[in-house]
Amino acid sequence: DTEVTQTPKHLVMGMTNKKSLKCEQHMGHRAMYWYKQKAKKPPELMFVYSYEKLSINESVPSRFSPECPNSSLLNLHLHALQPEDSALYLCASSQLQGRHYEQYFGPGTRLTVT
Amino acid sequence: GQNIDQPTEMTATEGAIVQINCTYQTSGFNGLFWYQQHAGEAPTFLSYNVLDGLEEKGRFSSFLSRSKGYSYLLLKELQMKDSASYLCAVRDDDKIIFGKGTRLHILP
Repeated sequence: DTEVTQTPKHLVMGMTNKKSLKCEQHMGHRAMYWYKQKAKKPPELMFVYSYEKLSINESVPSRFSPECPNSSLLNLHLHALQPEDSALYLCASSQLQGRHYEQYFGPGTRLTVT
Repeated sequence: GQNIDQPTEMTATEGAIVQINCTYQTSGFNGLFWYQQHAGEAPTFLSYNVLDGLEEKGRFSSFLSRSKGYSYLLLKELQMKDSASYLCAVRDDDKIIFGKGTRLHILP
């Protein structure tokens, strides 16, 4: 099983709303990632969790708040977003050791901020 | 600094072979990924190279030269469904940094 699942698939929210994106994997991967992707651009790294601890925050605004409740789950809490935050939000997971290091992406949540 | 370069667009013919190059200059290096991404979809993992040399996986092969900061993805027996963007990404410890991607067009 190489599946990463994400919910919801689509989300429309106003600038005053609070919502959460969810990601789940059961591959035993100990690294999980949030990326943001705008149209015709590559994925842009936001956060990395290694062994359930935040190891990288790429200077992301505090209106995005990640959470890793356990080794299988990753959340992204959203609050007071701006229209320019509209994008595809991708979750990914990978192993942390070994030669066959594969990173798998979930299908993404397409977020529209109105 | 981090710099990953790949051609913006390429065109090839169905049934042919195409090579997509990627050069990188990064502060650290722990491996290089290639991904395929169709429009509106998430990236799909194709390959990961950490040692120099060629890794073959069906119609797709990936090559790495660490001393030259260079990799390529080779696609053989091209099919129309191979029309997509191909993303080169470098792993630097916990970070994975993407190039801008190469949009590959396949002509019948």
